Amino acid sequence: QQQVKQSPQSLIVQKGGISIINCAYENTAFDYFPWYQQFPGKGPALLIAIRPDVSEKKEGRFTISFNKSAKQFSLHIMDSQPGDSATYFCAAREAGAGSYQLTFGKGTKLSVIP
Amino acid sequence: DAGVIQSPRHEVTEMGQEVTLRCKPISGHDYLFWYRQTMMRGLELLIYFNNNVPIDDSGMPEDRFSAKMPNASFSTLKIQPSEPRDSAVYFCASSRRPGRGYYGYTFGSGTRLTVV
Repeated sequence: QQQVKQSPQSLIVQKGGISIINCAYENTAFDYFPWYQQFPGKGPALLIAIRPDVSEKKEGRFTISFNKSAKQFSLHIMDSQPGDSATYFCAAREAGAGSYQLTFGKGTKLSVIP
Repeated sequence: DAGVIQSPRHEVTEMGQEVTLRCKPISGHDYLFWYRQTMMRGLELLIYFNNNVPIDDSGMPEDRFSAKMPNASFSTLKIQPSEPRDSAVYFCASSRRPGRGYYGYTFGSGTRLTVV
């Protein structure tokens, strides 16, 4: 049972282009949606996160767009750079007392080519 | 802050041997998580602790896996006996108690386990 579906599996973008990664979920109890960035040989690191009461959050070149009715959210990387080449994971957390585990998507390997 | 510290970084062992992975969470973090990462299954939650108490171990694949957290600064994940299908990268992560402004996990650099 895959609670968070992420696409695409891999993505190649030219330097300066826009990278878009999409995630969809079914569980309406999810109340927190972070994105993690992972470089080879490293653990995932929190990149940006959003709560469902807003439709968009921007931090520098990274933007999360959130569509509550469609149960979808996406990560946009503007002006993509070779240094952005990494694997990106979306995740979701279910609200509720005592529940504090993140469910991760399967990841998107992004390659930004010069 | 040194972050979440995992050891060893790499472990190669023979099938049937016992393997122990170690984790030191960030001081002051109430939650500790063990994840396994493979190409096929992505990041899977194995078990998590709150204040050193196991809360949910439903992700532990079978009885060969066990995890302990004897104190707030140390946790172990043990596999006995190990099998080739256990080969994966195992991550430990820690977090503060959920609050209004902070929900992120901090991951360690992982232990790459190879069982031959």
